[in-house]
Amino acid sequence: GAGVSQSPSNKVTEKGKDVELRCDPISGHTALYWYRQSLGQGLEFLIYFQGNSAPDKSGLPSDRFSAERTGGSVSTLTIQRTQQEDSAVYLCASSSLAGLRNEQFFGPGTRLTVL
Amino acid sequence: DAKTTQPNSMESNEEEPVHLPCNHSTISGTDYIHWYRQLPSQGPEYVIHGLTSNVNNRMASLAIAEDRKSSTLILHRATLRDAAVYYCILKYGGSQGNLIFGKGTKLSVKP
Repeated sequence: GAGVSQSPSNKVTEKGKDVELRCDPISGHTALYWYRQSLGQGLEFLIYFQGNSAPDKSGLPSDRFSAERTGGSVSTLTIQRTQQEDSAVYLCASSSLAGLRNEQFFGPGTRLTVL
Repeated sequence: DAKTTQPNSMESNEEEPVHLPCNHSTISGTDYIHWYRQLPSQGPEYVIHGLTSNVNNRMASLAIAEDRKSSTLILHRATLRDAAVYYCILKYGGSQGNLIFGKGTKLSVKP
């Protein structure tokens, strides 16, 4: 079946503009995660959605970052007033509640470049 | 989640076995040991996970020390496609929360 998809694959924007990044998780997966990976850095957790529960926003670096998940499926990560330090690959992952493995399936990422 | 320690990089020859170590001396009894890898320009992918017993799957084997303070991911015959960053991650069993990635081990495979 289809994996996690993300769009766009690449996004170049000017400093100060807002951007929206989209994630389509695997159908039926109740958990959805956003991570980012800056050049030469490890993966950093941003936000986690689980079903209808309030999202875990503990990883969001500033109030310029927000995310929503509509209908328990598609998610959008919004970055307002982008800064050059926001340049990174933004990765989305989803997982199923079934079993203890809780394997996370990652999308290919969106490479964001802020000029 | 407890911290893990991995070597920054390792090298292997193609078609030889590779043993990737991970130390996790502060692991708790309910932590599962997960391994993910990230191929160049791709998102991470699940490799294997275990709790106490050694585990095998089509991708790799996981050997867990008796005291669970360390583990080793074993690739039985490295291929060029196995060149990636390998992450060892501890995760509370049953938790659906986020993964905490360290720096991982960058594995290079020489033909």
